[in-house]
This record gives sequence, C-alpha cells and structure tokens, in this order.
Amino acid sequence: NAGVTQTPKFQVLKTGQSMTLQCAQDMNHEYMSWYRQDPGMGLRLIHYSVGAGITDQGEVPNGYNVSRSTTEDFPLRLLSAAPSQTSVYFCASSYSGELFFGEGSRLTVL
Amino acid sequence: QQQVKQSPQSLIVQKGGISIINCAYENTAFDYFPWYQQFPGKGPALLIAIRPDVSEKKEGRFTISFNKSAKQFSLHIMDSQPGDSATYFCAAKLSGGSNYKLTFGKGTLLTVNP
Repeated sequence: NAGVTQTPKFQVLKTGQSMTLQCAQDMNHEYMSWYRQDPGMGLRLIHYSVGAGITDQGEVPNGYNVSRSTTEDFPLRLLSAAPSQTSVYFCASSYSGELFFGEGSRLTVL
Repeated sequence: QQQVKQSPQSLIVQKGGISIINCAYENTAFDYFPWYQQFPGKGPALLIAIRPDVSEKKEGRFTISFNKSAKQFSLHIMDSQPGDSATYFCAAKLSGGSNYKLTFGKGTLLTVNP
C-alpha cells in the first residue's frame, strides 16, 4: 500500500518554463489537495478537490492549475514558472478528516 | 489573514522535559483541531486531534488541551525525547460536509537535547 505518491521529488526549472507535479493515491480517497511549504509560512493550500471532476481554489491558487479526471490522480500544473514558486509542494488525500501527505516535491525556479 | 496563530516559532527542551506549543484561532466555525508532526525530508503526519466538545485528549506522552471560550488549544509533550525533534503544526477545519481542507499554523521547530 503506497499511500500518496508524488513525482518528481526534485526539480529545477528556469523562469517561464512549465511543468506538472504528479500526485497519485491508492486509498480511494475522494478528497485531495495541494499545499506549498515555505520557511516561516507553514503549509498553505493551493487547490483542492472533493471528487473526480470537482476542483476549487485554496489560499494561494495564482500561477497553478489543477484537474481531477480520476479519483486516484491530482496533478498540479505550473504554466509559466516564476522564482516565487520555489517551494516544497505536498499533495494530500483524505477520507474522514485525517490528511495523508506525500513526501513532497522540492521545486527550484531560477 | 492568518486564521490560526501558532507560537513559539522554535523551542528547545532538554530530554525528559515538557514541550508546550500553543495555537489560537479566530473563526468559531472551526470544528476539528489536529496537530501534525513533520520530520526533515518527510511529509507531515497526523499526531493527535481534538473536537471542541472535549477539553483534553491524551495519547501516550502527547496531550491536547482545548479552551473553547478563549479560542485556544495547545500541545503538551511529556517526557520529551530526542526522537520528538521535529516541526509541529497545529491546524483547524471548518465544520460541515466532505471538504477536509485544513488551515495550518506556521509551525514550531522543536529540538530536544539529549
């Protein structure tokens, strides 16, 4: 049972490049979400989904897109990366309130 | 607008001592208050959680104290061990439905010296 799997673990981008952070869970959880973690800022919610086909914005959605075509997958897209998006990104899923987090994706934008 | 305020930002405790981390919230519609523990290079993991209908919850060496009237809750770690060294986040969830989005505090870096 893998839980929440995030790929890649590390990525370096140049300003203006695009990329997708992948997130997959094998627990059949309806709820999935993306957080970013920055020093001294805690965990801030980017986007979330309460089920396939349903997504909504969190606290810091600008510069990020999401989609949810299946229960298992919830990719996070950066269309034009900016240095301000340098961060550690965590995907999480939930069934009954407890969030299960992946191990994170560290993104550096130069 | 920070809805969950956490203090202190960092904490150093000697082995065997008591670690106390405090959080305060503003929105009375919150109905679930978890604490997450994060080790370096790992994702956060649920440590302990409480709902506002109880004032205290204890699991082993970890206790949440909840003061509904003051809108405050705290994590107490008894007999702190070096293995407890981690970042701790408090969080809160709005009541209702299947939306489990959490609002997190900014975190406390706990160091337990041997």
